[in-house]
Amino acid sequence: NAGVTQTPKFQVLKTGQSMTLQCAQDMNHNSMYWYRQDPGMGLRLIYYSASEGTTDKGEVPNGYNVSRLNKREFSLRLESAAPSQTSVYFCASSEGISALHSGNTIYFGEGSWLTVV
Amino acid sequence: GDSVTQMEGPVTLSEEAFLTINCTYTATGYPSLFWYVQYPGEGLQLLLKATKADDKGSNKGFEATYRKETTSFHLEKGSVQVSDSAVYFCALRTGSNYQLIWGAGTKLIIKP
Repeated sequence: NAGVTQTPKFQVLKTGQSMTLQCAQDMNHNSMYWYRQDPGMGLRLIYYSASEGTTDKGEVPNGYNVSRLNKREFSLRLESAAPSQTSVYFCASSEGISALHSGNTIYFGEGSWLTVV
Repeated sequence: GDSVTQMEGPVTLSEEAFLTINCTYTATGYPSLFWYVQYPGEGLQLLLKATKADDKGSNKGFEATYRKETTSFHLEKGSVQVSDSAVYFCALRTGSNYQLIWGAGTKLIIKP
C-alpha cells in the first residue's frame, strides 16, 4: 500500500541550480497536486493536474514547472532555485477534482525537505 | 474568498487533559471540512472529515462537529496522550472550488 510516493526526501541546492521532484501514486487517481508548506502558513497549492494530460497553475506557481507524465506520475521542476523556495513540498492525489466530489479525500506523500542556499 | 482560521499555537497540555483546537471558516456554498495531522518528520494524514452540517467526524478518539450556524469545526479529544503531539491542520473544500483551503496549523505539545 504505497499510496503517494515522492522523491527525494531531502535535498540541498545552491542558488541557481535546477532539480525535479518526482511523485507517483498507485491509487488510480485522476487528480494530482503539488503543495508547499512554510512555517506559520497553511499549505499553498503550486500546480495541479485535474486529469492526465492537463496541468494548471495554483496559488503560487512562479518559479516552478510541472509535468503530468502519465496517470501515475506528476513531477515538479525548479529551473533556477532561489532561497525563497526553501520549503517542504508535498505531492498529493485525489480521485477527482470536479464539483460533484467536494467530499473527496486527498492523499499526501511524506514530503520533500528542500533547502536552497 | 474562502478562508480557514485556526487558534494559534503551540498548545501545551499535560497527558490525559481535554483538548480543543478551534477552527472557524468562511465559505460560499456548502464546504466539506477536514482535519489533517502531521506528526514530526512525516507527511499529512487525514484525521477526520465531515461533509454536511451537523455531521460529526471521528477517528482515534478525536471528534469534530460541523456547525453551520457558528461556521466552526472544532477538534476535541477527551484525554490526550504524548503520542498526539503533532501539528493539526483544519481545511475546507467546496464544490465550487476544487482546492483545499488550509488553516495555518496548530502545534500541539503533550507533556507526560
